[in-house]
Parts: sequence; structure tokens; C-alpha cells
Amino acid sequence: ETGVTQTPRHLVMGMTNKKSLKCEQHLGHNAMYWYKQSAKKPLELMFVYNFKEQTENNSVPSRFSPECPNSSHLFLHLHTLQPEDSALYLCASSQDLEGSSYEQYFGPGTRLTVT
Amino acid sequence: DQQVKQNSPSLSVQEGRISILNCDYTNSMFDYFLWYKKYPAEGPTFLISISSIKDKNEDGRFTVFLNKSAKHLSLHIVPSQPGDSAVYFCAAPGRRALTFGSGTRLQVQP
Repeated sequence: ETGVTQTPRHLVMGMTNKKSLKCEQHLGHNAMYWYKQSAKKPLELMFVYNFKEQTENNSVPSRFSPECPNSSHLFLHLHTLQPEDSALYLCASSQDLEGSSYEQYFGPGTRLTVT
Repeated sequence: DQQVKQNSPSLSVQEGRISILNCDYTNSMFDYFLWYKKYPAEGPTFLISISSIKDKNEDGRFTVFLNKSAKHLSLHIVPSQPGDSAVYFCAAPGRRALTFGSGTRLQVQP
């Protein structure tokens, strides 16, 4: 496996379900991100982790709970979601947060539908 | 407040012609800009970047122009190919992550 992988690629869940999204990067990067992409909107940053520590929570509702057990893995735990949370959830990684390492590498995303 | 703006949601051009995608920004502190390309069902992939010390960066068929006084950048693709059909995002480094525009969907007609 190379690059950034995400599972599952598609997920349909009810509002009372609990599910988790998984992201794994094989690039040796230190920073990982969760983004949300809704239709016709810019990519919205949700969370940033650097060396497993959360450095940014962009006012995300508590029904989204991130977990970063190590620099290679990132999870997004979902519970009691709303239909408006249906979107494409993208994971990304970068070498670090500073200097010239601006380039982020993205996974293919998880298409989430909340019914 | 959207600091990076792409005001054209879509663009259609003929194969072989030039595609010009535009991006405006409001934060004069931005010193680096990136363009990403996104196909359906895939994550964005890095395409080309430019530092604010330059006004032009070229990579094959792709050229990015930066006009700092106008806070405007543009991506030129010439000649355009059907495989270039995708959504293009411009981005700039924010406090902790990239700030993205809303994207422009490019359709290259054969």
C-alpha cells in the first residue's frame, strides 16, 4: 500500500448508529488532517494532528470524535449524526505543519450518507 | 470569511484550446499557493504551486500566474485535453492547514 488510504469508501448510516472512518498513511508524515467536503462548498478543515497530538479543532460538533493512536493512523468516530452531515470526508497528511511542507497528500475519501 | 475564492464554479473548453482557471485571495500574508486537481471518487492531488517571490511557474502544459497587487492567481492549461476534466482547487497555507477555494469544475470537450 502506498500513499493515503481510507476505509470504508462508502458508508450509509442511520442517525442513531455509531461508526468509524479509518485513515492510514504510508508516507512517514507527521501531520494528519480530516476535511469535510459538502456539495458546492470549499473543503472544510475539521481536525489537525501533529505527532499524534491534536492541534486544531475547527469548531466541529462533538458528534465527530477524532482519534490518532500513532502518526500513521487517524480515525473519525461518528455517533448520532444528522442528515446534513452527509458529505465526502477526506483524510490528508503532510510532512509537518511548518516551513516548506505545505503539500498535503489526500486519501480517496469516504462518501457518507446519513439517513 | 472565505480567504481563498474561486468565483467560477464551472468552465467548459474545447480540446486543444487554453483553459484558464482563476482564484482570488484576501489575505496579503499568504506567501505560497497551490493548485489541486480532483477526479470524482478520488481525493485531491497536488498539481502545481507558486511562491510569492515569483509571478509565474510553469510545468509542462500547466502554468500558474500570480498577481500580488491584485491578489489574484490563475492556472493556465494549454493545450487542454479531455483527461484534464476535473475539479480544480486553489489553496494557500493557513494557520495550521491549507485553506481551499470552493473549486472550479473544468470540462474539456473532445
